[in-house]
Amino acid sequence: EVQLVESGGGLVKPGGSLRLSCAASGFTFNTYTMNWVRQSPGKGLEWVSLISSSTIYIYYADSVKGRFTISRDNAKNSLYLQMNSLRAEDTAVYYCARGIAVTTKTFDFWGQGTLVTVSS
Amino acid sequence: DIQMTQSPSSVSASVGDRVTITCRASQGINNWLAWYQQKPGKAPQLLIYGASSLQSGVPSRFSGSVSGTDFTLTISSLQPEDFATYYCQQANSFPLTFGGGTKVEIK
Repeated sequence: EVQLVESGGGLVKPGGSLRLSCAASGFTFNTYTMNWVRQSPGKGLEWVSLISSSTIYIYYADSVKGRFTISRDNAKNSLYLQMNSLRAEDTAVYYCARGIAVTTKTFDFWGQGTLVTVSS
Repeated sequence: DIQMTQSPSSVSASVGDRVTITCRASQGINNWLAWYQQKPGKAPQLLIYGASSLQSGVPSRFSGSVSGTDFTLTISSLQPEDFATYYCQQANSFPLTFGGGTKVEIK
């Protein structure tokens, strides 16, 4: 069974940093593209970042470029999101999501999400 | 960036009704369009990818179609478990973008 479990969310002050983790199991992690997608409270979905299976390709939304860094450790079946210079508008539930094989830019499995709150 | 305009933003329907939701892309996306269902407090679930391919395990009452840059999700006979919010997403180019969502409510 495919499982994605996010952790690392919490309350942080504006300008602060946080590192999210996503532990993957139930599939061959090192063959799949992975993503972070976020959802502000009561709002819609926003794609944040993508990393290819071998880390050759990395993309970011303009809203986080230069502040967030996506990475993965295929030996640990883990995905990460380092978030720096956090702003109030980064407050959201952050989901890790697997890219499907047919098109890596569609998401077939999602974690349960971890809430990040940026507030003073 | 490719803008995804989804309509309606909400729809009231009864069990057994046929429901259609539309998503329009601001430019061509080569049919790389996905549909997701999200229930309150839960992560989204993939329903349709590539505009019309049904994801494994998704009931056949869900279908997707395309006409130019207009994409449609159809629920042929609404079931109680289908009351949720639906999102489209273009998977053609970065940044990947979602529609604003359509909430399907009980009439």
